[in-house]
Amino acid sequence: GIQVEQSPPDLILQEGANSTLRCNFSDSVNNLQWFHQNPWGQLINLFYIPSGTKQNGRLSATTVATERYSLLYISSSQTTDSGVYFCAVYRDDKIIFGKGTRLHILP
Amino acid sequence: DSGVTQTPKHLITATGQRVTLRCSPRSGDLSVYWYQQSLDQGLQFLIQYYNGEERAKGNILERFSAQQFPDLHSELNLSSLELGDSALYFCASTRTGSNTEAFFGQGTRLTVV
Repeated sequence: GIQVEQSPPDLILQEGANSTLRCNFSDSVNNLQWFHQNPWGQLINLFYIPSGTKQNGRLSATTVATERYSLLYISSSQTTDSGVYFCAVYRDDKIIFGKGTRLHILP
Repeated sequence: DSGVTQTPKHLITATGQRVTLRCSPRSGDLSVYWYQQSLDQGLQFLIQYYNGEERAKGNILERFSAQQFPDLHSELNLSSLELGDSALYFCASTRTGSNTEAFFGQGTRLTVV
């Protein structure tokens, strides 16, 4: 089956820093989403981005489907950005998640 | 609020027991996905239903089963529970399947003691 790899696995940053999270996938996909799982376990939709670039406030994402990767950019980090960031790809009627990047923002 | 409702939010039960988790998809969504997230792990795909029919299956144990009813709500049944089944169980819904955005419920936290 398709493999979804996220890097880095863990990231500790000071408040105000910028970061780039990466998602690589091993085969073509129908679509891709980024999620944030907050410390209470809720999965929050960030971007639905099969290709191209989208921005939402301090967050933006880019997917290059032909090269099988997606990037999530977080600028001017805040402590509320802490949690786990997952990318998930759609393929063969399944939505397959990567193992996530755990982000910890220090005040 | 994603519009996907899962009940109950928390469940504590003993080994060997059977439980049923419920998921109501967003209004108008036809597809429901179930996931298991064990402690500090990623989300493992269990099963997908589309308009009442099973569409895709992941690594779902034989002790687990699911169905989607005519009103489109779905239930995940877990039987002969073991300590290792303790996890957060999520459902997600999409409008038509793999080409539309997925929205997740808040999850059911199952603890098997």
